[in-house]
Amino acid sequence: DTGVSQDPRHKITKRGQNVTFRCDPISEHNRLYWYRQTLGQGPEFLTYFQNEAQLEKSRLLSDRFSAERPKGSFSTLEIQRTEQGDSAMYLCASSQGRDRDYEQYFGPGTRLTVT
Amino acid sequence: AQSVTQPDIHITVSEGASLELRCNYSYGATPYLFWYVQSPGQGLQLLLKYFSGDTLVQGIKGFEAEFKRSQSSFNLRKPSVHWSDAAEYFCAVNTNAGKSTFGDGTTLTVKP
Repeated sequence: DTGVSQDPRHKITKRGQNVTFRCDPISEHNRLYWYRQTLGQGPEFLTYFQNEAQLEKSRLLSDRFSAERPKGSFSTLEIQRTEQGDSAMYLCASSQGRDRDYEQYFGPGTRLTVT
Repeated sequence: AQSVTQPDIHITVSEGASLELRCNYSYGATPYLFWYVQSPGQGLQLLLKYFSGDTLVQGIKGFEAEFKRSQSSFNLRKPSVHWSDAAEYFCAVNTNAGKSTFGDGTTLTVKP
């Protein structure tokens, strides 16, 4: 068990560019979550998957954001036409999602800077 | 909708002193409560969790927390703080859908 991994760890992009982040959850975990954290704030929920199904999306997830988990394993989060307000840490977490096990294991995050 | 309030933005304690970080939650059903710690530029590490049963829960690194339903609180405590405990601490409540709602965190500074 290597834990939740995220790639890249840091991304600097120019406004208007598209970026994609990847998250690899713990292998036996069927739930995967994306959160966004800005400076001085706690993580805010963006979306989550049960296997490959995207079950909930936050209002924070504008139409420029899209997340996928095509085979129920890794997930990608894409931001199109990035804006400076998208600069944040993007955190991925996974959990078993059964037997009422709500413990989430977090990855190290991807720090996005939009210039 | 659920919410979490951490009233203290920043706390400074001397090394060896006791620590209490406050957390209040708002949630209609039985809460699932967590405390996480985050070092600069890092992800979140789970310190402890409360699902049910004994209201005093023990976690890693010598931390404990007490769930008080009547006060809607889940305060984190440590009897003797170490310099390595300096970090940001987040309280979170989890819904039955599994997503978590976090407080805005408390930054802990430890004086030598």
